[in-house]
Amino acid sequence: QQQVKQSPQSLIVQKGGISIINCAYENTAFDYFPWYQQFPGKGPALLIAIRPDVSEKKEGRFTISFNKSAKQFSLHIMDSQPGDSATYFCAASKQTGANNLFFGTGTRLTVIP
Amino acid sequence: GAGVSQSPRYKVAKRGQDVALRCDPISGHVSLFWYQQALGQGPEFLTYFQNEAQLDKSGLPSDRFFAERPEGSVSTLKIQRTQQEDSAVYLCASSLSRQETQYFGPGTRLLVL
Repeated sequence: QQQVKQSPQSLIVQKGGISIINCAYENTAFDYFPWYQQFPGKGPALLIAIRPDVSEKKEGRFTISFNKSAKQFSLHIMDSQPGDSATYFCAASKQTGANNLFFGTGTRLTVIP
Repeated sequence: GAGVSQSPRYKVAKRGQDVALRCDPISGHVSLFWYQQALGQGPEFLTYFQNEAQLDKSGLPSDRFFAERPEGSVSTLKIQRTQQEDSAVYLCASSLSRQETQYFGPGTRLLVL
């Protein structure tokens, strides 16, 4: 079964706009929630990550919002740029345990100039 | 420094053939993970090594899949008697320790005809 659910499947945003991708999880044992960015022909690269003891983490134009009670987390990309066009995956793991990453199904983001 | 490298980048196999996929992790990384990424999906965990020890193989889909890391550095994922459903991108990731950030290679795209 899908441990992490991700939406939308695809997203088109104008340059300068805000891109929002949402994820939900079931396993309350998860304690690490990273977001990965993947360009065609490349492996996933860590973008930003959060742990459940904080509700928000910001790094440059990228922000993760985390809602522990709802078991949901989201990625916000501010001032989206054409270079942000890629596939984004949310993931979750028990970092204090096995740390095997459970990925969402991915969101293909296209930023239009 | 050099990242995770994988070879070959592309592999076409006839159904029933055996294939071997190689992963060169980042130097000094103790932990090594293999993931399988089907088309349009997120990566799914296959197996985990700590140095040369295979500590977790819970994600291997069948006994046709075999992985090794005999000297604690380079790892090989072998698939025997390939089937069409084995067609996917096989990703390798390494990390300093099991709880640290995983760095992914570019993957090997396997097509079984």
